[in-house]
Amino acid sequence: DIQMTQAPSSLSAYVGDRVTITCRSSQYISSHLNWYQHKPGKAPKLLIYLSSTLESGVPSRFSGSGSATHFTLTINSLQPDDFATYFCQQSYTTPRTFGQGTKVELK
Amino acid sequence: EVQLVESGGGLVQPGGSLRLSCEASGITLRRFAMSWVRQAPGKRLECVSTISGSGNSTYYADSVKGRFTISRDNSKNTLYLQMNSLRAEDTAVYYCAKDPTITIIGGGHSDYWGQGTLVTVSS
Repeated sequence: DIQMTQAPSSLSAYVGDRVTITCRSSQYISSHLNWYQHKPGKAPKLLIYLSSTLESGVPSRFSGSGSATHFTLTINSLQPDDFATYFCQQSYTTPRTFGQGTKVELK
Repeated sequence: EVQLVESGGGLVQPGGSLRLSCEASGITLRRFAMSWVRQAPGKRLECVSTISGSGNSTYYADSVKGRFTISRDNSKNTLYLQMNSLRAEDTAVYYCAKDPTITIIGGGHSDYWGQGTLVTVSS
């Protein structure tokens, strides 16, 4: 299975900050990388698919980039609603595998 | 509005069985591939099983193969996960997730998830 590694595992930031989360795959996955937001007790929410395509209804302050094995999720001007855990998922091969998650906390 | 609501979780002894359900509203379930994804305490998410919209194609993680069975009742718009011979390591929150396509495709994604149901395997 393809291993996904996110960094950092957690971070603290202020409202208004720009936040960048990275995700690396153990092998080539083209642009088949998805990002989700997860809050405790809630359903995970799709933010970005195919590395950089913003899901309908997701604010434009979220953006994704990358290909091959290195990907990033950027949140411009962090908002109070953005404090959550973010995880990446590769869908290049079955099984789809996930990063360990990055918890974004209020500083 | 698309909603996926899981149920059926609970406390079960090792070796026991549970059947999880995922009832969909706002969509016609037979048009979409579905998955069960779990997260054990302190662990990352793991896709345990997937099924195509037709039900003809399924996938199981090695960790559950032979013990879990995924199925769907399109007339009830409901997805199921029958879990037998449960082990302590199956303890997790189980989520159902929907793909926007009828089959699980390379490069795909899950566009809707449920809130999860907790399964605890303990004596």
